[in-house]
Amino acid sequence: GEDVEQSLFLSVREGDSSVINCTYTDSSSTYLYWYKQEPGAGLQLLTYIFSNMDMKQDQRLTVLLNKKDKHLSLRIADTQTGDSAIYFCAGGATNKLIFGTGTLLAVQP
Amino acid sequence: DTAVSQTPKYLVTQMGNDKSIKCEQNLGHDTMYWYKQDSKKFLKIMFSYNNKELIINETVPNRFSPKSPDKAHLNLHINSLELGDSAVYFCASSQSPSWGDTQYFGPGTRLTVL
Repeated sequence: GEDVEQSLFLSVREGDSSVINCTYTDSSSTYLYWYKQEPGAGLQLLTYIFSNMDMKQDQRLTVLLNKKDKHLSLRIADTQTGDSAIYFCAGGATNKLIFGTGTLLAVQP
Repeated sequence: DTAVSQTPKYLVTQMGNDKSIKCEQNLGHDTMYWYKQDSKKFLKIMFSYNNKELIINETVPNRFSPKSPDKAHLNLHINSLELGDSAVYFCASSQSPSWGDTQYFGPGTRLTVL
């Protein structure tokens, strides 16, 4: 079945760029998503990318997709303390979303 | 206006009890989901309903029984609660069952079984 892997933890300083990586196994995923989960809260959709795109930019967020390597990344420019959260990538497989293991982003002031 | 709401937000109960979690969405979506997030933050789908009909049932114990009285509601009833049921349960909804449709999540219900 589909497998989605992420590194568990990333620590950056405020103002730096953050890059969160994700690898997936199911190449049939048409859409790939990034969700953000703040402490004690539900998941919030940040952005998504269609599989025929290589890159999508949305304000401070840049999503890169390498279909050949099945690698997805989320870059957050000018990271702020409010960006501290767990970030999940997710891909579609047989009419359900498979979520990655989540990356905890800690932003140091 | 809350799009996907769940009640209660916190639920603490004893082993062996039966409890229910309610979910409502006001987005006019056809599809609703229940996810379980364990203590390591792994998030996994449990059930999915489309137009009140069950379409996904992911190897969940029979003690868990979802019920969808109408398209806007999907409740989760759990019988004979066990310690391992302690987790955060998220409800979500989407326009259709296609995973190409964005899923919108509720705030979660933190269940603690003592």
